[in-house]
Amino acid sequence: LAKTTQPISMDSYEGQEVNITCSHNNIATNDYITWYQQFPSQGPRFIIQGYKTKVTNEVASLFIPADRKSSTLSLPRVSLSDTAVYYCLVGLKGTARQLTFGSGTQLTVLP
Amino acid sequence: EAQVTQNPRYLITVTGKKLTVTCSQNMNHEYMSWYRQDPGLGLRQIYYSMNVEVTDKGDVPEGYKVSRKEKRNFPLILESPSPNQTSLYFCASSYSGGAYEQYFGPGTRLTVT
Repeated sequence: LAKTTQPISMDSYEGQEVNITCSHNNIATNDYITWYQQFPSQGPRFIIQGYKTKVTNEVASLFIPADRKSSTLSLPRVSLSDTAVYYCLVGLKGTARQLTFGSGTQLTVLP
Repeated sequence: EAQVTQNPRYLITVTGKKLTVTCSQNMNHEYMSWYRQDPGLGLRQIYYSMNVEVTDKGDVPEGYKVSRKEKRNFPLILESPSPNQTSLYFCASSYSGGAYEQYFGPGTRLTVT
């Protein structure tokens, strides 16, 4: 399983764009990159998933360089309600085990 | 609305008193799993089920049992709870294992005294 490394914490201000980078140097050829968001005492929520290049949905964008050894989750114009822990997960689809949730990145949005 | 439900949401019990936490999903997902989340230890998978009557151990299965008699339900059973099982528990379902999107329940906060 590919090991991921994320910053432990980040601070931002309301209205700013936030970029959280995840390093996954030993990503395998068929691995997907998936990001989840978790608020305190709630279950994680799927945000976005990608395999290569760029993926965008109504919540975020995911940028993946050609070598796929890292990825960046971009949150446009964050608000206080975006304060949460963000997890980067890397792995195959369809395996018996679920992907491992690491420690994640605690994003704190300040007024 | 697609959802995973868990009951109870909060439970305080005593050591050794058997309990069951229920989990149900309405998305016809084949894959279901249970996690526990503890401060500093992240989310750890307890058990998972790839389909009806198919279950297997995750990372921390000791002290827990599960069953999958129906596709939609995946109860977690603590036969003899101990204080070290005090934790926040999440049930999740997905189309399959691995990188498929997981849908998590609201969580069950269990305290064993």
